[in-house]
Amino acid sequence: NAGVTQTPKFRILKIGQSMTLQCTQDMNHNYMYWYRQDPGMGLKLIYYSVGAGITDKGEVPNGYNVSRSTTEDFPLRLELAAPSQTSVYFCASRETGNQETQYFGPGTRLLVL
Amino acid sequence: DAKTTQPPSMDCAEGRAANLPCNHSTISGNEYVYWYRQIHSQGPQYIIHGLKNNETNEMASLIITEDRKSSTLILPHATLRDTAVYYCIVRGRAAGNKLTFGGGTRVLVKP
Repeated sequence: NAGVTQTPKFRILKIGQSMTLQCTQDMNHNYMYWYRQDPGMGLKLIYYSVGAGITDKGEVPNGYNVSRSTTEDFPLRLELAAPSQTSVYFCASRETGNQETQYFGPGTRLLVL
Repeated sequence: DAKTTQPPSMDCAEGRAANLPCNHSTISGNEYVYWYRQIHSQGPQYIIHGLKNNETNEMASLIITEDRKSSTLILPHATLRDTAVYYCIVRGRAAGNKLTFGGGTRVLVKP
């Protein structure tokens, strides 16, 4: 299993541009998450999904959108990039059940100038 | 979720055991203790979790006090590759669907 994969690894955007961060998992997990991590800080939840077709907001959803058309994929969309969105973005997944063991991808480093 | 308190940093000698403390004095009965770590520039990695019994896996051991108000993660033979930020997280099923990563403990393993 590849686990959780994310693309791209690094991207530079100009203010106002849009892009989609890709996340794919091959573990057949129902739950998927998007976090952002600013330098020296902990992770903040942006959006999450409990299954295909179901998404919900986390702590910091403004400026982002998500979709979940399949179990495997959970893309994160930035419509109008702002400097405040400069961060490292992590995607994670977990299986359904009592446990909260999440598996994280390698991250996407985004710089908005 | 119960709040956790960890020392901001600690050093450890390579080959020695690393003992990472975590206080969670407001933990409730149905909340688990989870440990993750984040090696520089990588995604967080699950290490171990427990409810009230001590736990051991191939990576580490988790010792939870009888009153469950604190716990210790033990890396039995620290290597240079164990240098990372270690996060102690307490949460239960009813708390929603997110993990709250606090400041963690920055562990530096020295040769």
